[in-house]
Amino acid sequence: GENVEQHPSTLSVQEGDSAVIKCTYSDSASNYFPWYKQELGKRPQLIIDIRSNVGEKKDQRIAVTLNKTAKHFSLHITETQPEDSAVYFCAALNTGTASKLTFGTGTRLQVTL
Amino acid sequence: SAVISQKPSRDICQRGTSLTIQCQVDSQVTMMFWYRQQPGQSLTLIATANQGSEATYESGFVIDKFPISRPNLTFSTLTVSNMSPEDSSIYLCSVGVTGTGELFFGEGSRLTVL
Repeated sequence: GENVEQHPSTLSVQEGDSAVIKCTYSDSASNYFPWYKQELGKRPQLIIDIRSNVGEKKDQRIAVTLNKTAKHFSLHITETQPEDSAVYFCAALNTGTASKLTFGTGTRLQVTL
Repeated sequence: SAVISQKPSRDICQRGTSLTIQCQVDSQVTMMFWYRQQPGQSLTLIATANQGSEATYESGFVIDKFPISRPNLTFSTLTVSNMSPEDSSIYLCSVGVTGTGELFFGEGSRLTVL
């Protein structure tokens, strides 16, 4: 089955700096890669996703890049703000087989003033 | 996206008892799932709730411990049976968008077992 590794487990950045979270996956057939943000005591929320037919996707201050050859994808947050502080989870899925979404272990991002 | 409501939002239970969590979606959905999130951990799929048939359980989860019902396309329940402190977790209902892979979560039910 799919295995997703996520690094780092914790990340502290100063407000205004950029943050990068990296994930690797094992199943080359995976073609859908979402990122979830979970604030303390809240549900995980889908913030951005990328499919295997594109290499990069941006939405305001967040972007995701995908390297299919190396089987890794990354979340980039620019101009970080205190409200970006949360736990971020990456995930991978092969939509063709309707297999389960496999989640990474999570990254706790702390944006300090 | 669909509005997913779960209840209870939290509960404190005694060892050996059972608790049923309800999940209501405001539109018909084909794919519903139940996840567990232990304290400080990632999301682990318990089972896929199948409408009209038995749920499909992931490795390490069994029907006797986590019976699931899915009577229609908008509602599902998860029961945590014969609870022990190790069952203290957040249990999350989720719905998938067919063909896209997108997954959306309910607010979660925080269960504490004493």
